[in-house]
Amino acid sequence: SQQGEEDPQALSIQEGENATMNCSYKTSINNLQWYRQNSGRGLVHLILIRSNEREKHSGRLRVTLDTSKKSSSLLITASRAADTASYFCATSDSWGKLQFGAGTQVVVTP
Amino acid sequence: NAGVTQTPKFQVLKTGQSMTLQCAQDMNHEYMSWYRQDPGMGLRLIHYSVGAGITDQGEVPNGYNVSRSTTEDFPLRLLSAAPSQTSVYFCASSGPNTGLPVDAFFGQGTRLTVV
Repeated sequence: SQQGEEDPQALSIQEGENATMNCSYKTSINNLQWYRQNSGRGLVHLILIRSNEREKHSGRLRVTLDTSKKSSSLLITASRAADTASYFCATSDSWGKLQFGAGTQVVVTP
Repeated sequence: NAGVTQTPKFQVLKTGQSMTLQCAQDMNHEYMSWYRQDPGMGLRLIHYSVGAGITDQGEVPNGYNVSRSTTEDFPLRLLSAAPSQTSVYFCASSGPNTGLPVDAFFGQGTRLTVV
């Protein structure tokens, strides 16, 4: 079974709005990572948050991690049409072994 | 350019045929892995390797073999292709296990269809 589960499964917003997606996982982790996948392409690493961190920023991305609730959220601020993609969370052990959720499909309309 | 290279990008097989998906990385990464991605699902781990000569099973290993004779290469073998193996396959690598978090680099994927 998959370690992470994203919510919602799909999200449709307009340019300029913020997009928030959540990820829940089951077992203890070393770190949690978020990836983006454009249609038909490989995955691109977005941001990594360690298990002892609570919040991290990278450009328009903000990630939070609550290890007590085994959950994380990804916020994309001021979304653009180019942000249209599927977003996956993945938990990682110390070796880098990743377990992915099913993803959130985000559509940003102009 | 440095990165993870997968070949082929597309492949059609008949049921029962065998083939090898190639994966190579030039970043001297210790950890390499294979995933499959089916429609509407995230990536599921097939096999992984923590270094040359060491491999282990992931979540969905049945029907696949791997070997890791060099640090650079991690081929995935389909022994007798089945329609259920129709999927997109991704290879990934990540750096040495120093105890520090590392992010993974992914290849562009191989789209496999078994008819």
